[in-house]
This record gives sequence, structure tokens and C-alpha cells, in this order.
Amino acid sequence: SQTIHQWPATLVQPVGSPLSLECTVEGTSNPNLYWYRQAAGRGLQLLFYSVGIGQISSEVPQNLSASRPQDRQFILSSKKLLLSDSGFYLCAHDSGSGGNTIYFGEGSWLTVV
Amino acid sequence: QKEVEQDPGPLSVPEGAIVSLNCTYSNSAFQYFMWYRQYSRKGPELLMYTYSSGNKEDGRFTAQVDKSSKYISLFIRDSQPSDSATYLCAMGAGGTSYGKLTFGQGTILTVHP
Repeated sequence: SQTIHQWPATLVQPVGSPLSLECTVEGTSNPNLYWYRQAAGRGLQLLFYSVGIGQISSEVPQNLSASRPQDRQFILSSKKLLLSDSGFYLCAHDSGSGGNTIYFGEGSWLTVV
Repeated sequence: QKEVEQDPGPLSVPEGAIVSLNCTYSNSAFQYFMWYRQYSRKGPELLMYTYSSGNKEDGRFTAQVDKSSKYISLFIRDSQPSDSATYLCAMGAGGTSYGKLTFGQGTILTVHP
């Protein structure tokens, strides 16, 4: 079965500091990978998705970037965090069969202070 | 107008009650419909997935889709305290949209003993 790991689970970062969130998927090859953000009291917003190594599509203009250095690794980064970057960040993968169902990791809570 | 509108709740029901959760949408391109359950500070987990109008049952859960009215529902029978969570509806357009889902804001459900 497929499993998805995210870390760190929680972090508190000062404004202007860099960010790196990591996600790895096990039990599948060539998955489509996604980064979503969930702000307090709001639904999930798609930030980035990737259909393969080095292939990144951005859904919204923002202060963040994503990279996919390996088939099952997806990284979310920022060079300088803003207060508005605070939120719950979720990595996800799809079923790989062409369907639209996605499966989430446990998430990373980011508080920018 | 948001693409997906979800009754925000919160809902508070006694154990054993039937719960109805609802979402409406405006984008006719949506062809796939999902319900996710999210416990506090955890990633969402997939509950139900359907792509056709009508009802789909899984244990105590029934997902209902009415594409003509652009309306979806999730019914929970014999609700339990363990059902207390935030419920998110999600929709996808299929094809090359992959797992690019549009989510509702979520409904907070509390089932009290």
C-alpha cells in the first residue's frame, strides 16, 4: 500500500527566515504529487503539483517554491517567510490510475512569528 | 461566487442521529466528487468517492450527487462520537486536471454521547 510521510510536523519560524518542508511517498512509482495549504477557517488551496522529476506547476502566485529532486520526493521551500505563510501544509499523491482521488500526508503546521 | 460552497456549520448532534452535510458548486466541469474527514491537526482522509449522479453507500455513510442541481450531500447514519471531525467536500474536473481538486470550507461536526 502507498504511504506518504511529511516532516517536520510542527515548526515556528521568524519572519524572513527560510523554509523547507519535505514529503516522500512509498509504495508507488512516478506518482503525481501535490502541495496544498489550509489556512485557519478556510478550505484547502492547491499550491503546486508535479507529474514527474523536475516538473513543477504553480497554481497561485506566492512566496513559496517547490522542487521534485527524486521520483518520490517533493519539497516546499521559501527563501524569506512572511506572516501570511502561516498555515497547515499538506502533501498529497493521487491514485496513479488516472482518477481524481488524492491521499494526504499528516501535514506540517507552520507558524510564522 | 465561490466554485464550491459548503454549509460551514458547526453541527452538534446527539449520538445515533442522522447527519446531513451539503455542498453546492457552480462549475459544470466537475465530474468527480469526494468527501474527506479531517480530525483536529491531522491530514484529511478520504471517506467517499463518486463520479455519477445518484447514491453510493459505504457502511453508515451515503454520498449523494445531483449533477443537474449541482448539489452533493453526505449522510451519516447512527452517528458516533468518533465521527466528530471536520468534513470537507472536494471536486475535480477529470482528464488532465489530475488531482487538482477544489475543496469546500469544511463543516465541523460534533457528536455528543
